[in-house]
Amino acid sequence: GAVVSQHPSWVICKSGTSVKIECRSLDFQATTMFWYRQFPKQSLMLMATSNEGSKATYEQGVEKDKFLINHASLTLSTLTVTSAHPEDSSFYICSALRTSGRALRNEQFFGPGTRLTVL
Amino acid sequence: GQQLNQSPQSMFIQEGEDVSMNCTSSSIFNTWLWYKQDPGEGPVLLIALYKAGELTSNGRLTAQFGITRKDSFLNISASIPSDVGIYFCAGNTGANSKLTFGKGITLSVRP
Repeated sequence: GAVVSQHPSWVICKSGTSVKIECRSLDFQATTMFWYRQFPKQSLMLMATSNEGSKATYEQGVEKDKFLINHASLTLSTLTVTSAHPEDSSFYICSALRTSGRALRNEQFFGPGTRLTVL
Repeated sequence: GQQLNQSPQSMFIQEGEDVSMNCTSSSIFNTWLWYKQDPGEGPVLLIALYKAGELTSNGRLTAQFGITRKDSFLNISASIPSDVGIYFCAGNTGANSKLTFGKGITLSVRP
């Protein structure tokens, strides 16, 4: 399968600071990437769809001004958690969408995740 | 919103045993996917199903796309210790490629 990386793999920050997480598609170009959040013992919850060259689309209940997404190239999307608070502590996972000729056969490849802890 | 139901939350089996996991939905999905997640890692795709009734195998894993398009199952045969992890089902309804995930089943394998 394709390779998607995330950096950093873990980060600890103070409350009120901003944290940037990078998601890179290493062996294919991805017009679309997705950002998920996963709390302990829970499922992946989609936060937003990141579109190269255009604004991200956020899921209901996700604050776009708090979770800034930039998809500046076909291999890189970044998620910035602004003014982080302890309740933002979570496991953030990105995926990159590899498209095929048929939309239902498009496949998401997931990164290894970034563990964010806000003190 | 759409939901995928997976239960029980945890399963405990003996090494060598077979195990079956179900995933059900109240609405139709056009693609069903099964993922495995190890602690501290992202999910890894195990099997993708694209047609109602489709039965697909990947080594010791077999999955089926239900005829009604509202369910799927995953079978693991002859379990081994490295099968330990969280198994998620996911569904896709259409062209936007967004996935809906089930809550996952944590599998433990006793040696």
